[in-house]
Amino acid sequence: EAGVTQFPSHSVIEKGQTVTLRCDPISGHDNLYWYRRVMGKEIKFLLHFVKESKQDESGMPNNRFLAERTGGTYSTLKVQPAELEDSGVYFCASSKMSGLETDTQYFGPGTRLTVL
Amino acid sequence: GNSVTQMEGPVTLSEEAFLTINCTYTATGYPSLFWYVQYPGEGLQLLLKATKADDKGSNKGFEATYRKETTSFHLEKGSVQVSDSAVYFCALRGSNYQLIWGAGTKLIIKP
Repeated sequence: EAGVTQFPSHSVIEKGQTVTLRCDPISGHDNLYWYRRVMGKEIKFLLHFVKESKQDESGMPNNRFLAERTGGTYSTLKVQPAELEDSGVYFCASSKMSGLETDTQYFGPGTRLTVL
Repeated sequence: GNSVTQMEGPVTLSEEAFLTINCTYTATGYPSLFWYVQYPGEGLQLLLKATKADDKGSNKGFEATYRKETTSFHLEKGSVQVSDSAVYFCALRGSNYQLIWGAGTKLIIKP
């Protein structure tokens, strides 16, 4: 079974540009999560999809961030325009179903975003 | 609100030493608790978990026990190896299913 995949693995852009990160969850997983780790800080939750619907987007930092999951499969996270403080590692995770104590989130390798 | 506190690193040990990485949490109710590990150049991997008080999670020689009375979930291993060098993250699952993370502890094992 393929794991969670993320693309690209590393992106370097200039302030003001746009970047789109992609996450492909494990097949059959309805739940998809985005997290990020800004340099030197804790990993922080960004948002949670159940299929194609946004279940919880309380962690999205501002309206420069837009996440989509059309068709309930892969997800994209767009940052437009990027700012210096957006630099960090963006992780995606998926899980089969929420609401169960046994539900586990499986993580992708992350996308390292560097904004210059 | 919910939060997780981990001991700061880096933690440097010799091979075959005993390892403890402390983790304490603040939460309403009884959240599920997790340890994730990130090996150099790789993503986050679930190491072990516990879903209720007094549960012990274990994997690859690592153990952690969910202690409700001390709100702790310390990670232990009896004899570490060089291959255990990584960053270890303690996390809890909040009521909205999001994971709330500690800062991470970098572990360095010297041969």
